[in-house]
Amino acid sequence: EAQVTQNPRYLITVTGKKLTVTCSQNMNHEYMSWYRQDPGLGLRQIYYSMNVEVTDKGDVPEGYKVSRKEKRNFPLILESPSPNQTSLYFCASSLLLGRTLHFGNGTRLTVT
Amino acid sequence: AQTVTQSQPEMSVQEAETVTLSCTYDTSESDYYLFWYKQPPSRQMILVIRQEAYKQQNATENRFSVNFQKAAKSFSLKISDSQLGDAAMYFCAYRSAWASGTYKYIFGTGTRLKVLA
Repeated sequence: EAQVTQNPRYLITVTGKKLTVTCSQNMNHEYMSWYRQDPGLGLRQIYYSMNVEVTDKGDVPEGYKVSRKEKRNFPLILESPSPNQTSLYFCASSLLLGRTLHFGNGTRLTVT
Repeated sequence: AQTVTQSQPEMSVQEAETVTLSCTYDTSESDYYLFWYKQPPSRQMILVIRQEAYKQQNATENRFSVNFQKAAKSFSLKISDSQLGDAAMYFCAYRSAWASGTYKYIFGTGTRLKVLA
């Protein structure tokens, strides 16, 4: 089944403890991206990647890192999480010339 | 920079009735794509409909249709014969054409749709 898989679905952590949210797609998509969703703010793009080793900042990249060492994987790294990073996070992918963004099921992150 | 505005935080519709969700955007580009995504309580993001800016004809998908007014930069979603399963948060989104060299997606703040039985 074609899908974008995010893990974990829920994560509670403490301030400053490094964490990684994984994202994997099995559709051979070139484009992958991360978003955070906050009430009243909609979805905001954090980072995106056009292909392996090619990444760029979205609108809210501060406090986040990404890497794209393989085409299928695009992990989101929070090296020193803070409470203002408590949010719902989505990974998504698409073909480079495609018009449909496929989303993962989201990760609810709470930083205390 | 492009922006997307959804001015209705919440809407209600009676089952079987029609409702229209508003979306306006701002861009200086001539080629782009517009989308409506649905997010039910399961929080899954589901593509409802998309519109290519170069197409004059409004997109339709079964009970869902859009009113795309390029000059007015307006992209509203009409849901006909509303069903209880349509209750969700709806997001309007904008994406530049790949040829523009800009690869960002811009989302609106969402409209929560309630369907009344």
